[in-house]
Formats: sequence, C-alpha cells, structure tokens
Amino acid sequence: NAGVTQTPKFQVLKTGQSMTLQCAQDMNHNSMYWYRQDPGMGLRLIYYSASEGTTDKGEVPNGYNVSRLNKREFSLRLESAAPSQTSVYFCATRETNNEQFFGPGTRLTVL
Amino acid sequence: AQTVTQSQPEMSVQEAETVTLSCTYDTSESDYYLFWYKQPPSRQMILVIRQEAYKQQNATENRFSVNFQKAAKSFSLKISDSQLGDAAMYFCAYRSYNTDKLIFGTGTRLQVFP
Repeated sequence: NAGVTQTPKFQVLKTGQSMTLQCAQDMNHNSMYWYRQDPGMGLRLIYYSASEGTTDKGEVPNGYNVSRLNKREFSLRLESAAPSQTSVYFCATRETNNEQFFGPGTRLTVL
Repeated sequence: AQTVTQSQPEMSVQEAETVTLSCTYDTSESDYYLFWYKQPPSRQMILVIRQEAYKQQNATENRFSVNFQKAAKSFSLKISDSQLGDAAMYFCAYRSYNTDKLIFGTGTRLQVFP
C-alpha cells in the first residue's frame, strides 16, 4: 500500500522544455490535487479533479495542463517551462469528508 | 475570499517544553474545517490535527491540541512535551465545508533544542 506516489522526485529543465509530472494513488480516492510550494508562500492549488473525467482550475493554473487519466492517476504537464515554475510540486488525494493525503513531492528546477 | 495567516515565520522551543503556534483566518462562512499539517525536512506533508467548525470542543491528538476560537477566527496549535522529532515547518489550512480546496498559510518553522 504505497498511498500517493509521484515521479520523478527531482527534475532539471531548460526554459522552453516540456515535461509531465506523474501522480498515482492506491487509496481509491475520488479527488486528486496538484499544488506548488514556493519559499515563504505555503502551498497553492494549481488544478484539482473531483472525480475521474473532471478537472478544475485552482489558484495558479497558468502555464499548466492536467489529465485525470483514470481514478488512480492525475498528471500535470508543463508545455513550455519557465524559470517562474521552479518549485516543489505536490500531488494530494482525498476521499469525501476526509482530509487530504499528500505525496512526497517533486523538486523542479527550470534554468 | 478566505485567507489564512501565520504571523510567526519561526519559533523555537526546548525539548520537553510547550510551544504554541498561531493561526488566524478570515471567512464569511459558518461551516468549514481547519487543519494543521507538519512538513519535516523530508518534505512529506503530514496531517497533525483537524477541527470541524461546528464542534465547540477543541481537537486533541496525543501531545498536540488546538485552541479554536471561532468568533475571533483563531486556530492555534499547542505542542506539549516537545520532542526533537517535532522540528519541522507547520502549516495551518482552511477548507470550506462544501468545496475541495485547501487554503494554506505561509507556515511556521519550529526548531526544537535539546
């Protein structure tokens, strides 16, 4: 029972490159989330998915796209990475009326 | 829009002593949840404690307890008998009753000295 897993753990990109961050959960939760964490700013919601097949924008969606591939997987794509997207990215899941469970995070650096 | 404020960027405590971390929030809603999350150097976000706004009784989890003052919109975390393993960033968070979104404060870094 791995909970919430994220790949990769670390990534360095050059400006303009694209990449996809993967998130998978084995807890059978309906809701999944992507956050970014920047120094001194706490976690901010990028996108979330309340159920398979649905996605909604959060607080800071610009520059990102998401796909809820199935109930287990929720990916975050950067089409053209920018230095402002250097951050730590967290995936989280939640079952209705319960708290969110977080993955271990991905540290992304964009040069 | 709801906001969460943590006014203490850093706090320190001696091992075995008690420390209180502050959190205030702003909302016009009456039904919501409040949380404290711990983030150790491993970066993993770990739920410490949760409070439902409709409950008057303060939540407690072992050495961790909250002081929830709904009228004052205050939600502080008290850590008793502090241990070296309590050293971490602590985030206060708010969620409306009928939404999916968590709103986080900016965090308080807690240092624990032997």
